[in-house]
Amino acid sequence: EAGVAQSPRYKIIEKRQSVAFWCNPISGHATLYWYQQILGQGPKLLIQFQNNGVVDDSQLPKDRFSAERLKGVDSTLKIQPAKLEDSAVYLCASRRLRGRTTGELFFGEGSRLTVL
Amino acid sequence: TQLLEQSPQFLSIQEGENLTVYCNSSSVFSSLQWYRQEPGEGPVLLVTVVTGGEVKKLKRLTFQFGDARKDSSLHITAAQPGDTGLYLCAGIHNFNKFYFGSGTKLNVKP
Repeated sequence: EAGVAQSPRYKIIEKRQSVAFWCNPISGHATLYWYQQILGQGPKLLIQFQNNGVVDDSQLPKDRFSAERLKGVDSTLKIQPAKLEDSAVYLCASRRLRGRTTGELFFGEGSRLTVL
Repeated sequence: TQLLEQSPQFLSIQEGENLTVYCNSSSVFSSLQWYRQEPGEGPVLLVTVVTGGEVKKLKRLTFQFGDARKDSSLHITAAQPGDTGLYLCAGIHNFNKFYFGSGTKLNVKP
């Protein structure tokens, strides 16, 4: 079974530029998460999708971040315009729907963003 | 601010030593997980604990979920260099919202 695919692995941009990250979850996983992980810290949830609907985007800075999951499969996270503090690794994770059991998050390798 | 606080933040020990990592919150969780993350990779699940007071053992790793389901600990016996990594606890609400702790970076020296 193929894992969660993310691209690009690395991206360097100037502040005020825009950037987009792509995620393809494991086939059949209805739930998709985007996390921001600043160096040495734990991942912070940005947005959670179930199929193509948003479940939680309460911590997404909506003035500059946007995300979509068209057709309930792959997803794109965009930052426009980028700020220095957006430098981080952006992790995508997916999970199979399991009713009232927890299940497991499967993560991609992440996209490392450096904003200069 | 993190919903879950982990301590210590950093730990550097010699091979063969024992260690304990703590994960604390004021929130009650439906379950809690521990993940390990290596540089350049995403976190990988180690264990899920569901019942208050539950203890799970995975070879040299022992995980405990607090009675009130607000905290957890991870104990490693006779640490090895292969245990090096970032250990993350994740508290789960409603079986589908995952909130990660601040992380504990472990370095085991040969």
